[in-house]
Amino acid sequence: EAGVTQSPTHLIKTRGQQATLRCSPISGHTSVYWYQQALGLGLQFLLWYDEGEERNRGNFPPRFSGRQFPNYSSELNVNALELEDSALYLCASSLMAFEAFFGQGTRLTVV
Amino acid sequence: AQTVTQSQPEMSVQEAETVTLSCTYDTSESDYYLFWYKQPPSRQMILVIRQEAYKQQNATENRFSVNFQKAAKSFSLKISDSQLGDAAMYFCAYRRTAGGTSYGKLTFGQGTILTVHP
Repeated sequence: EAGVTQSPTHLIKTRGQQATLRCSPISGHTSVYWYQQALGLGLQFLLWYDEGEERNRGNFPPRFSGRQFPNYSSELNVNALELEDSALYLCASSLMAFEAFFGQGTRLTVV
Repeated sequence: AQTVTQSQPEMSVQEAETVTLSCTYDTSESDYYLFWYKQPPSRQMILVIRQEAYKQQNATENRFSVNFQKAAKSFSLKISDSQLGDAAMYFCAYRRTAGGTSYGKLTFGQGTILTVHP
């Protein structure tokens, strides 16, 4: 069974640009979660999507947004990139909010 | 708001020995889940063990076991017969079971780096 897959593995963007990160959940999982792991700040909850709708949002500015598609895959968009957005972005999936399984992450570097 | 605290930034253990990682949390909820995740250098978060708060019995998965003290809001992870492959960052995490705006999200501790010496 395939796990959670994220793409790309690495992403380098210039300040002010937009970044799009993608996540495919485990087959059968309807919930997708996004977390930011910045150096020194630990893991911070970003967004939760379930059945195509945003269910919960962490303390991040509106330029962090996303969506979930009918096949339950998800995109995280970060607009107007700032240097401090450089981090590992982890996606996780679960079924009915049981334990979450994580992907390998996307390393975003903003220069 | 729920908080999770891991007071040990780093721990080390000799191969084949036992090590215990500490975690405390704060919540006003009576029912919730607690987890330990492992993050090796590959960066992927791997679920190690899960504990439901309503269960008094401590969870066990092979060499990994927890000491869940609900009244003290403590949730430590014991790794027995430590192996080189256990070296990683370990995160304690909390999730409420249902309802409310914080439902679904995991709240993580700061992590403990575990080094295993051969």
